[in-house]
Amino acid sequence: GAVVSQHPSWVICKSGTSVKIECRSLDFQATTMFWYRQFPKQSLMLMATSNEGSKATYEQGVEKDKFLINHASLTLSTLTVTSAHPEDSSFYICSALRATGEQYFGPGTRLTVT
Amino acid sequence: DQQVKQNSPSLSVQEGRISILNCDYTNSMFDYFLWYKKYPAEGPTFLISISSIKDKNEDGRFTVFLNKSAKHLSLHIVPSQPGDSAVYFCAASVRGAQKLVFGQGTRLTINP
Repeated sequence: GAVVSQHPSWVICKSGTSVKIECRSLDFQATTMFWYRQFPKQSLMLMATSNEGSKATYEQGVEKDKFLINHASLTLSTLTVTSAHPEDSSFYICSALRATGEQYFGPGTRLTVT
Repeated sequence: DQQVKQNSPSLSVQEGRISILNCDYTNSMFDYFLWYKKYPAEGPTFLISISSIKDKNEDGRFTVFLNKSAKHLSLHIVPSQPGDSAVYFCAASVRGAQKLVFGQGTRLTINP
């Protein structure tokens, strides 16, 4: 299957700082990537759709100024959590959409804000 | 509004027996359904999918059944193996819209 990587896999940051998470599709080009958030024992909630070369589309209730998404190339999308707070602590997962219509997920990034 | 629901948070099955995981949906616009398997601290891995024009899709030990009138789908795993122990998510989409809506997940434990 296709490979999607995320970096870092785990990050701890202090409240008020910003954290950048990278999502890369390693063996195919993805014009569309998705960012999800998962709370413990809960479902994956779609945060935003990242489109290469254009602005991301955010789901209702997701603050676009807090969760900055950049999809600068066909293989890389980044999610920056700005001015992080403890309630932003979560598991963030990206996926890349292949031309066949299948989504391939990254391994996720555990963010802990202290 | 939970459009995709997995009402069983957990399921325990003996090795070698059949595992049946259930999923219900409310949005009649959904026309493509997928099952994903997820281990802790990892991203979901695609297992099997089904289009709304079918009522069954089989891939090895995994079979997905779709009942459109009941807005219900199920994943059958037979025979169940210890490596199948994981959280299983069902997801639905409107083809063309690309976005996936996930259920809450069911933790499957296969007992030896």
